[in-house]
Amino acid sequence: DAGITQSPRHKVTETGTPVTLRCHQTENHRYMYWYRQDPGHGLRLIHYSYGVKDTDKGEVSDGYSVSRSKTEDFLLTLESATSSQTSVYFCATRTGSTNYGYTFGSGTRLTVV
Amino acid sequence: TQLLEQSPQFLSIQEGENLTVYCNSSSVFSSLQWYRQEPGEGPVLLVTVVTGGEVKKLKRLTFQFGDARKDSSLHITAAQPGDTGLYLCAGDMEYGNKLVFGAGTILRVKS
Repeated sequence: DAGITQSPRHKVTETGTPVTLRCHQTENHRYMYWYRQDPGHGLRLIHYSYGVKDTDKGEVSDGYSVSRSKTEDFLLTLESATSSQTSVYFCATRTGSTNYGYTFGSGTRLTVV
Repeated sequence: TQLLEQSPQFLSIQEGENLTVYCNSSSVFSSLQWYRQEPGEGPVLLVTVVTGGEVKKLKRLTFQFGDARKDSSLHITAAQPGDTGLYLCAGDMEYGNKLVFGAGTILRVKS
């Protein structure tokens, strides 16, 4: 398999608490992405990374931060979780050309109560 | 506002019928991809189209990229229950860094 592991798979947290989601890959892919998926919106890009310690914002980055200290790990942090951040979060990677497509993890379902 | 508009949003058909899903935009893409997603899993790449006017076939699935590279379609011939899932189109606008996704088409094929 593609070797992308997201953890946790499910999480319920309270409003105002910080939350960190982890994406771990064993493919040595350079590019990594965090998307959120909500009904009617498809997948929306939160942040992405094009190398260790190199990250950039996507279209819905407010309230989120990321870190990539190693090639294999890409962390997404919700600094102070809100109910609007209830969603399914997907990590994706790609190696070189976009033509080869993205490989996605199985997702993390986050509920903020 | 979605940069990529997919239609229809939902499709329920009988086994053996044909169907077409559309993906439209006012923007030009360097490439366009189609993914299929099943419940509880991440999307899986079906195909990438790169050249305007390109047509690719994968068994009963036919993918087409518009001449102007602004739109694409997915046609399924003789749909089967195993085709059930969420179909997503995704466009690459900047030659490599990130994809933008359509909202998806939920396909249900009844036996």
